[in-house]
Amino acid sequence: KAGVTQTPRYLIKTRGQQVTLSCSPISGHRSVSWYQQTPGQGLQFLFEYFSETQRNKGNFPGRFSGRQFSNSRSEMNVSTLELGDSALYLCASSLVGVPEAFFGQGTRLTVV
Amino acid sequence: GENVEQHPSTLSVQEGDSAVIKCTYSDSASNYFPWYKQELGKGPQLIIDIRSNVGEKKDQRIAVTLNKTAKHFSLHITETQPEDSAVYFCAASTGTASKLTFGTGTRLQVTL
Repeated sequence: KAGVTQTPRYLIKTRGQQVTLSCSPISGHRSVSWYQQTPGQGLQFLFEYFSETQRNKGNFPGRFSGRQFSNSRSEMNVSTLELGDSALYLCASSLVGVPEAFFGQGTRLTVV
Repeated sequence: GENVEQHPSTLSVQEGDSAVIKCTYSDSASNYFPWYKQELGKGPQLIIDIRSNVGEKKDQRIAVTLNKTAKHFSLHITETQPEDSAVYFCAASTGTASKLTFGTGTRLQVTL
């Protein structure tokens, strides 16, 4: 069974640009959550989607957004990038109503 | 909101020794406590978890204990091996995969 797949693995963007990251969950998993990992702040929850609806949101500015498609694949978007957005962005998938979350390898975003 | 503290931040043990990592949480509503292992360049890997109705859980060389009264839980690794070297994160949630609150991580180094 394939794991969580995130694309791309690495991205370099310039301040002010926007970026879209993609996540394909484990087959059968309909819940997708996103986390930001930085050396200073650690792992922080961004948002969760299932049934194409955002179910929960962390404490991040509105520049961070996401969506989920009918096949459970999810994308997150960051607009007007800032240097501080440089981080490893992780996607986790789970069965709905089950707490076990399985992470992908992440997308390393560098903002210059 | 939930706050999870994790200690120590670094831990060095000799191969074959045991390693113990401790976490405390603040929200008495939390009832799911997973542990993740993150190797360099990879996403966090779920290695063991425990729910609040259980005091201890074991899986081969890994065990987790939970003290709900004191709001702390611990990871125990016995007979450590070099491949156990990684960063370990504890987390807490109210039983859904979304909004895991993570500890700050423990870098475990197993030396020969």
